[in-house]
Parts: sequence; C-alpha cells; structure tokens
Amino acid sequence: QSVLTQPPSASGTPGQRVTISCFGSGSNIGRETVNWYQQLPGTTPKLVIFGHNQRPSGVPARFSGSKSGTSASLAISGLQSEDEADYFCSTWDVNLNAVIFGGGTKLTVL
Amino acid sequence: QEQLVESGGGVAHPGTSLTLSCGASGFTFKTYAMHWVRQAPGKGLEWVAFIWFDGINKYYADSVKGRFTISRDNSKNTVYLQMSSLRAEDTGVYYCAGDPPSSGYALDVWGQGTTVNVSS
Repeated sequence: QSVLTQPPSASGTPGQRVTISCFGSGSNIGRETVNWYQQLPGTTPKLVIFGHNQRPSGVPARFSGSKSGTSASLAISGLQSEDEADYFCSTWDVNLNAVIFGGGTKLTVL
Repeated sequence: QEQLVESGGGVAHPGTSLTLSCGASGFTFKTYAMHWVRQAPGKGLEWVAFIWFDGINKYYADSVKGRFTISRDNSKNTVYLQMSSLRAEDTGVYYCAGDPPSSGYALDVWGQGTTVNVSS
C-alpha cells in the first residue's frame, strides 16, 4: 500500500479535461513539492510536472499541477489519445526520509 | 542530449548478489543527485535509493535497507547499485534517474532500465 493515494483509473474523451488526484499527509505533500510522471505503455517514465506546477521543456501546456494542503492534482486539458498512460505522483517524506510514489493512475482516452 | 544507460541486470538466485551500473552523458553528472527506481512486472514505481551529488549522503527504501548499497564515481560519470541477499520480490526493471540541483526530487532524466529476475 502506497503512502500516496491515487485512484487506480481515470478516463475521458478527446478534448475533455481530466484531473488525477494524489492524497498524502503532513509529512509529505503537506511539506514538500509534488512531481508527476507519465509512463506510456512499454516505455520509461517521463517527468511532466515538477514543483507543483512547472513543466519541463517539451511538455505541452495542457498539463498542469496544483496542490492544496496534503493533496495534489494533475490536470490534463484538451485530452488527446496520446495522453493514454499511467501517471504517478511523487514527493519526499520527511518522516520516512524517502522518496515516495503514488500507486499510479491508468488514464484511458475513450 | 542527456542520457543514462543502465547495465548489469540478469537472472540471479535468491540470496545471491548483483551489481547494477548506470553511465551518464550529456549533462553535468557531478551536480546531480542520482536515484534508483524499480518496477515489478505489472506494478507501479518503487523508489529504491538515492545518493547526493557528492556521494556523502545516501538514503534507502526500508525494503532494501541493509541489503543494497548505492555509490557513485563522478570521475566516471557512473552510479552503482550493489544488491545482496536478493529476494524474489526484488524482481523487476531497475531504472536510474537524475535529480538536478534544487529540483525538489524531480527526476528529469531516466535510463531505459535493466531487468533483474530473482528466481530459483
């Protein structure tokens, strides 16, 4: 069981806006920045959001992140079929002295 | 172009040891913290270990503490993961990943992964 809780699945139709949540606690999300990774089927994970809401070069502006208290969210607007992937949230836990990942959310584009 | 290339994976019997290597190119390796992250078949990402840019501090997941050792050689742009007392649950793809300065543990460079299969 992951310290960070994500819904196992999410879905949307092309053009729609979807959000993926990540719930933590005061020892992790409540104190640290949150990063999000995209893993397309059969590929290596890729950083899509860091520092709550910053995008690495090359990541479309359709991807955005937010944080409130001990939870964080990844939003994808104008959903495209190429966005179908697994998404993982991650942060540092000050009690565990460890990087932690959420269990992952499988996004399906209908 | 930033690149990480892992090697050293393979089949290992339970209780034995294996050492993974990860070579870096295309970025200033000596300024990056480096991590190992693994993924069991069909499962999510599990963080394994990380080492500061200068190698002074190291952190481990509870599941590998006392069995795995992370190290680096900045003169060779390489990070290592020595794995001992291997268990079946250590099976998976092992990725090394780079964490640039002041990024808040954002892993922005990933290798292609090397597969470890612990089986009797």
